[in-house]
Amino acid sequence: AQSVAQPEDQVNVAEGNPLTVKCTYSVSGNPYLFWYVQYPNRGLQFLLKYITGDNLVKGSYGFEAEFNKSQTSFHLKKPSALVSDSALYFCAVRDRNTGFQKLVFGTGTRLLVSP
Amino acid sequence: NAGVTQTPKFQVLKTGQSMTLQCAQDMNHNSMYWYRQDPGMGLRLIYYSASEGTTDKGEVPNGYNVSRLNKREFSLRLESAAPSQTSVYFCASLAGGRTDTQYFGPGTRLTVL
Repeated sequence: AQSVAQPEDQVNVAEGNPLTVKCTYSVSGNPYLFWYVQYPNRGLQFLLKYITGDNLVKGSYGFEAEFNKSQTSFHLKKPSALVSDSALYFCAVRDRNTGFQKLVFGTGTRLLVSP
Repeated sequence: NAGVTQTPKFQVLKTGQSMTLQCAQDMNHNSMYWYRQDPGMGLRLIYYSASEGTTDKGEVPNGYNVSRLNKREFSLRLESAAPSQTSVYFCASLAGGRTDTQYFGPGTRLTVL
């Protein structure tokens, strides 16, 4: 069975500092990995995905994520946080060997960027 | 191009009442999904439709039914609402292929008293 863990309910960071939102996953085969962001009272917006190739994936709004197969992690990062980055972030995984409907989400991490 | 739209945005029901949540997408996507979002539990898949004319159960289907009316529309019905169904409901669509991404609607906030 697929699963995703986001170990931090909330991450606090000061504006201008680097940020990391952690995600680890478990799948039986090779994963497709996704990050989504949710702003208050809005639906989820796609940020980036890892399919294959380069382990460092760049996405929207200056975010990037690093796929680490040995640690089964896919942490979201940004070099310099903005107050407007404050939102709820979800990591999701899909097993390559199962159907596309099997997208499993983590429980979410709230990012709070202070001025 | 409106993407994925959902109606209504908010709804309050009494226990035992029924209602249908509507979802439509204008991106010509093949697959559509219904999720519920609860605090501390992330998003959980209720039902999905891989293509027009097909529907399948997800992780938490009990108490719900769905209809894929056509390629654009995918509705979720609560026949007899229960307080445990108080949640935020999201519809999503996906063009096709395992590498593709899901696009989400703005959500319906449902409260069952």
